[in-house]
Amino acid sequence: GAGVSQSPSNKVTEKGKDVELRCDPISGHTALYWYRQSLGQGLEFLIYFQGNSAPDKSGLPSDRFSAERTGGSVSTLTIQRTQQEDSAVYLCASRPGGSGHGYTFGSGTRLTVV
Amino acid sequence: DAKTTQPTSMDCAEGRAANLPCNHSTISGNEYVYWYRQIHSQGPQYIIHGLKNNETNEMASLIITEDRKSSTLILPHATLRDTAVYYCIGLIYNQGGKLIFGQGTELSVKP
Repeated sequence: GAGVSQSPSNKVTEKGKDVELRCDPISGHTALYWYRQSLGQGLEFLIYFQGNSAPDKSGLPSDRFSAERTGGSVSTLTIQRTQQEDSAVYLCASRPGGSGHGYTFGSGTRLTVV
Repeated sequence: DAKTTQPTSMDCAEGRAANLPCNHSTISGNEYVYWYRQIHSQGPQYIIHGLKNNETNEMASLIITEDRKSSTLILPHATLRDTAVYYCIGLIYNQGGKLIFGQGTELSVKP
């Protein structure tokens, strides 16, 4: 597609449930990133995929968070046993490989844990 | 990646140039300067980036000082739709290329 697509756009879940957030990057983009933004806060890096390399998971806040990228394209961010502090907008971005390229962000998934 | 310092907020009159400064005194030789903005409730939007030379595109101009310790993003004719948080970020690609966002500058364009 023309841009980075994220689904769902909004998700309300009960505390303790698992959720899956999906990101469809721009076709051909080899790098994919997940960020989250809590209300009124800045963007927090979570995880980064580049081609076939091992992902950079240094930003994941706890072992309840995991992500995978299948076939070098679609990525899924999974949050297990959700907590209220997980409520945030989760943003995905992609970019072509190599230097000198800008990132394209999706519109995000707004997650609310009640 | 270099720590960047930006003013917390700025105002600009509609139709005038908006000049947003960024200090990055610890920037390394192979570190790019990227600018993004985030309009309320939207994902960040790429504006421009540069390494050493000044850059211009349809959105903005980027002026990088000769010593590369600071830069200025210029929106030549600001409109109300340019009201957003603007982020200046240093990025080294061989360290994974992940953007680390600071607090940015909240630009308010006023009629």
